Amino acid sequence: GNSVTQMEGPVTLSEEAFLTINCTYTATGYPSLFWYVQYPGEGLQLLLKATKADDKGSNKGFEATYRKETTSFHLEKGSVQVSDSAVYFCALSAWGNSGYSTLTFGKGTMLLVSP
Amino acid sequence: DSGVTQTPKHLITATGQRVTLRCSPRSGDLSVYWYQQSLDQGLQFLIHYYNGEERAKGNILERFSAQQFPDLHSELNLSSLELGDSALYFCASSATIYGYTFGSGTRLTVV
Repeated sequence: GNSVTQMEGPVTLSEEAFLTINCTYTATGYPSLFWYVQYPGEGLQLLLKATKADDKGSNKGFEATYRKETTSFHLEKGSVQVSDSAVYFCALSAWGNSGYSTLTFGKGTMLLVSP
Repeated sequence: DSGVTQTPKHLITATGQRVTLRCSPRSGDLSVYWYQQSLDQGLQFLIHYYNGEERAKGNILERFSAQQFPDLHSELNLSSLELGDSALYFCASSATIYGYTFGSGTRLTVV
């Protein structure tokens, strides 16, 4: 079946540090890949997505490239801010046996950024 | 505002009780998905409805059921509640495989 593995947290960084959160996936076919962010006490917000191999998703300074050869979709940001502190979820969407797509999440990685 | 509306935002109830969570999808989205988020299990897919019909089931307990109505809103019914059912319940809607929009969730506390 489909699965997503992402690095365990928390990831603790100082402001302006470089961020990488690793994500690898297992899926049949050609999934779409997503990063969602959850701020404390809030719901899930789509951060970025990529729908085919070699696509780069980007938003708010965050980037991730769909690497089919390594089945990875690592999240990066060049300079994090305190306001980036949140939980980040890697996810994939692929067609299931039902003939409809479902969204499968990793366990989430908490990011804590200190001033 | 994501366009997906979930009510209520918070719910506190006793063990053994039954509750109904409601979700209104984004305008035009035919698919509604329900997820449970707990500290130990993470985000678990429960069930998917498309245009009123059940399309896929995930880790949904037999005590839980859902339906999607002709106006496309969906309800998740949780019965014989146990302490372990305390969690955040999210719904998401989508029109394609490329985009899922989540509501802000219902926090259920079973005491």
